Amino acid sequence: QVQLQESGPGLVKPAETLSLTCNVSGFSMTSSSYYWGWIRQPPGKGLEWIATFSYGGKTYYNPSLKSRVTIAADTARNQFFLSLRSVAAADTAIYYCAREGALAVADSIEYYYGMDVWGQGTTVIVS
Amino acid sequence: DIVLTQSPATLSLSPGDRATLSCRASQSVSTYLAWYQKKPGQAPRLLIYEASERATGIPDRFSGSGSGTDFTLTISILEPEDFATYYCQQRRNWFPTFGGGTKVE
Repeated sequence: QVQLQESGPGLVKPAETLSLTCNVSGFSMTSSSYYWGWIRQPPGKGLEWIATFSYGGKTYYNPSLKSRVTIAADTARNQFFLSLRSVAAADTAIYYCAREGALAVADSIEYYYGMDVWGQGTTVIVS
Repeated sequence: DIVLTQSPATLSLSPGDRATLSCRASQSVSTYLAWYQKKPGQAPRLLIYEASERATGIPDRFSGSGSGTDFTLTISILEPEDFATYYCQQRRNWFPTFGGGTKVE
């Protein structure tokens, strides 16, 4: 059974860096058909994609956050990470990690399987 | 970026009713669209991928349709556990976006 589990500080001070870890169990991150990402939901708002990492080492970022975000992975430990710099109150949210399935050819998506496995989410408050 | 507009924002129904949720994209996303169910305190749950394919373990009362810019999620007979917020999400490119959600109450 594939499981994802987020961990990180629940409280971060403004202007500091938020660091989150997602532990993946029951599945190897080295599969070429899956991607690993972070999504957040601010209080009372909808879902916002933050970043995605592929086993091939490619990274993709939400343009609105790109200057402050880094996604990385340690596939040997089956973990991936999110770093969000210079946080502000607007970054207060529930942060989710998720597995995403897609068939991509030459960096073009040909078939999309959706974000099929999610972590339970971790609440981050910037204050 | 591709904007997804969901309507209505809120759908007030009763158990046993049929629910029809709409998602419209600002440009074609082909069939690279997924639907999720979200309940408070829980992670999103994938219902539909590739616009019309049910995810593993999803009851057949959930169905998706559409392509290009117009998509529909239908719940044929609402069960008590189906009252939640539903989001569509597109993956036309490497910048996925979500709709604003439809709350089924």
